[in-house]
Amino acid sequence: DSGVTQTPKHLITATGQRVTLRCSPRSGDLSVYWYQQSLDQGLQFLIQYYNGEERAKGNILERFSAQQFPDLHSELNLSSLELGDSALYFCASSPYRLAGRETQYFGPGTRLLVL
Amino acid sequence: GIQVEQSPPDLILQEGANSTLRCNFSDSVNNLQWFHQNPWGQLINLFYIPSGTKQNGRLSATTVATERYSLLYISSSQTTDSGVYFCAVRDRGSTLGRLYFGRGTQLTVWP
Repeated sequence: DSGVTQTPKHLITATGQRVTLRCSPRSGDLSVYWYQQSLDQGLQFLIQYYNGEERAKGNILERFSAQQFPDLHSELNLSSLELGDSALYFCASSPYRLAGRETQYFGPGTRLLVL
Repeated sequence: GIQVEQSPPDLILQEGANSTLRCNFSDSVNNLQWFHQNPWGQLINLFYIPSGTKQNGRLSATTVATERYSLLYISSSQTTDSGVYFCAVRDRGSTLGRLYFGRGTQLTVWP
């Protein structure tokens, strides 16, 4: 158990819908990262938050947004869903005391299926 | 961004065999992690190894940062070792924490 929790574990929805994925980081970790794993793109970085502020953006679509709340949990919002958004979405966390030179711990993932 | 290449893409072994997985990266890094993704999709941390050598039971890893590669050794393979092994790195020249992942090595261990 990495200490990072993600809900829900599985999500099935239809095209055009909106969903919210939730992540709670390990106790004491200030930084949260979201990654997407799909068959064609592999594991790709989406976005990073540090202590409530957006820190870095990767290959995140404009239809996707995220935020980190004062209690440090994070939510990833996916809207106007398309079939190609079906993927495994991971959240990871780290203390970020060493500007990223530290282990990132990954949650169990949310498996999203868009029909 | 940094390019990460893993080899071989697929590896099939019989239980008890040893194996070496390789990860090459295109630029200097200050974070390198090896992960095992089990058949249920969970990403399990194996090593944080930006340089040097570490061992954990039947697994060990070596990173030669100056030559931009890392090796993961699995000895006496067991069927539970099956899954995908990923290498991920962080750009040393960046202040950001994002990891770049390779495409993985799919390991299948037969009894």
